[in-house]
Formats: sequence, C-alpha cells, structure tokens
Amino acid sequence: EAGVAQSPRYKIIEKRQSVAFWCNPISGHATLYWYQQILGQGPKLLIQFQNNGVVDDSQLPKDRFSAERLKGVDSTLKIQPAKLEDSAVYLCASRGTETYEQYFGPGTRLTVT
Amino acid sequence: AQRVTQPEKLLSVFKGAPVELKCNYSYSGSPELFWYVQYSRQRLQLLLRHISRESIKGFTADLNKGETSFHLKKPFAQEEDSAMYYCALRTGANNLFFGTGTRLTVIP
Repeated sequence: EAGVAQSPRYKIIEKRQSVAFWCNPISGHATLYWYQQILGQGPKLLIQFQNNGVVDDSQLPKDRFSAERLKGVDSTLKIQPAKLEDSAVYLCASRGTETYEQYFGPGTRLTVT
Repeated sequence: AQRVTQPEKLLSVFKGAPVELKCNYSYSGSPELFWYVQYSRQRLQLLLRHISRESIKGFTADLNKGETSFHLKKPFAQEEDSAMYYCALRTGANNLFFGTGTRLTVIP
C-alpha cells in the first residue's frame, strides 16, 4: 500500500510570512495526526483528526497555526505568520480504525529565517 | 501530566556487544509504551509495542511498572541497528507522547 505522502519536502521562508503543508494519509485511515519535531527533540503532537473532526488540538498554537481536513482525507497545516522558533520538521501520520500503529510520512523541513 | 525520559542522547557500542536504550515514563493512567525507530533517510516507524511482547529484529523491551521503565535491549548489536530510537507513550486520546530520542551508533 502507498504510504503517507507529504509536500513540500523542504521550505524556506522569512519570518512573518505564511506557509502551508499538505498531507495525504494512507487510504482508508480515519485518524490523521500532525506533529512538530524541533531539532534534538522528539515529535510533539499538534493536532489529531478523526475523519474531518478535531479530536485534540490542545498543543496547537492557535494564534498562528491552523489545520483542516475538510473531506476527511487530505489535510493542510498552515502557519501565519511564521516565527523563527517554528523552524522544525512537520510530520504527518495516519492510523487505521482497528490498529494502534501510526504510519508516518517523510516530513516537511521548514526553515524560518 | 505524562513524561517520557530517554537519558542518553547518544549511545555507541561495538558490533556484537549488547545494547540497552533506556526509557523511563511517568503517567497517571495505565501505560502503553512503544519504541519507534528512524533509520538514516527513512521514515519514523514502529519497532515494537510492549503489549505484543515480541522480539523484532532481535530487540525486546519489557514494561517494568515498578521502576516505570521500558528499556530496549538487544544481546548482539549489528551495524544496521544504527539509527535514532524514540520511546513513546500512548495517552488516553490515542495520541503518542515521545521522548527526546537516543541516537545509537554501532561501531564495526
């Protein structure tokens, strides 16, 4: 089966600009996650979707970050405006209904200058 | 609040030597723990889960609730084991809370 797809793979922007990341989960996976991984740290959950509904967004900085999964398949994560501390790898993962395993995408490496 | 601690950022062992990657956790509920691995230029992937109690690629991990630990062990390290290893705790919302990771290098 095809894995989780993410684009772009790399992005460099200046602070105060906006950026968007896209994720396409494994077909049929109802649950989708966005993680932020800052250099030297483990992934930190930003938001969890179940189909097109938000299950947990308690760690999402809502003043600048937003995410949507309108049709319960693809998802977009947006940052507006970006700050230097947003430089990180943004990982998308998906999970099937009857499984516990999360499948990760390759990530998008964001550099904010 | 939950916590996952991996005290070693870097660990180097010689090929054929035993390896142990440490993980300690703090969680008020019933813990479910995982080890995820990321090989060079590959995606983060599940290595093993404590409930499964299985050996994957020669690695095992036992949940010790008394010591709140879930250390990853392998009796004889191989060069292909060199990777970044993350211990993770599943929370009640079916999310994963990750430790900071340990980079294992197996020296030929």
